[in-house]
Amino acid sequence: EAQVTQNPRYLITVTGKKLTVTCSQNMNHEYMSWYRQDPGLGLRQIYYSMNVEVTDKGDVPEGYKVSRKEKRNFPLILESPSPNQTSLYFCASSLRRPSFGTSGLSFLNEQFFGPGTRLTVL
Amino acid sequence: AQKVTQAQTEISVVEKEDVTLDCVYETRDTTYYLFWYKQPPSGELVFLIRRNSFDEQNEISGRYSWNFQKSTSSFNFTITASQVVDSAVYFCALTINTGGFKTIFGAGTRLFVKA
Repeated sequence: EAQVTQNPRYLITVTGKKLTVTCSQNMNHEYMSWYRQDPGLGLRQIYYSMNVEVTDKGDVPEGYKVSRKEKRNFPLILESPSPNQTSLYFCASSLRRPSFGTSGLSFLNEQFFGPGTRLTVL
Repeated sequence: AQKVTQAQTEISVVEKEDVTLDCVYETRDTTYYLFWYKQPPSGELVFLIRRNSFDEQNEISGRYSWNFQKSTSSFNFTITASQVVDSAVYFCALTINTGGFKTIFGAGTRLFVKA
């Protein structure tokens, strides 16, 4: 079954204790991304990755790190979590398609989302 | 800067009513992609539709229809004859290609459909 998996699904931790949320997809997608969802704010992009070893910041990258050493995995690392990082986190992946014509741009298909990780930092 | 505005925070309708969810976006990019996602009470995010900036063809799929108007930067979503199972939060999203694909979501519209 094609899917994006995240672990753990729920986590309660304390301020300053390093943690990693794993994300894995089995669809051979080049593109992966992390979002946080907070009430009234929708989803905000933290980091994204266009391919292995290629990552870039989204709108809210402060306090987070990512790595993309393998195509299927895109872990989110909180080196020193703080209470304002309490949130619902979603990982997503998508297929990039080559462009038509001479623009050189590629297209992004819809994103497939993991089930979410609810993180509480005390 | 890019922005997606979903001005309707919550909408409540009675079953079988039609309902339109509004989405207004801002971007200076000429190539971009618009999406609608649904988040039912169970929490998962489900893709509904995708539109490229150069494809203004509107679409009807069963009870769902979409109206993409580039002139007004709007990408509205209509449910015809709503059902209780349509109750969810609906998100509009904009993806731009800045060398990488950056995605901006609206704050979402919570739809309640009462029996």
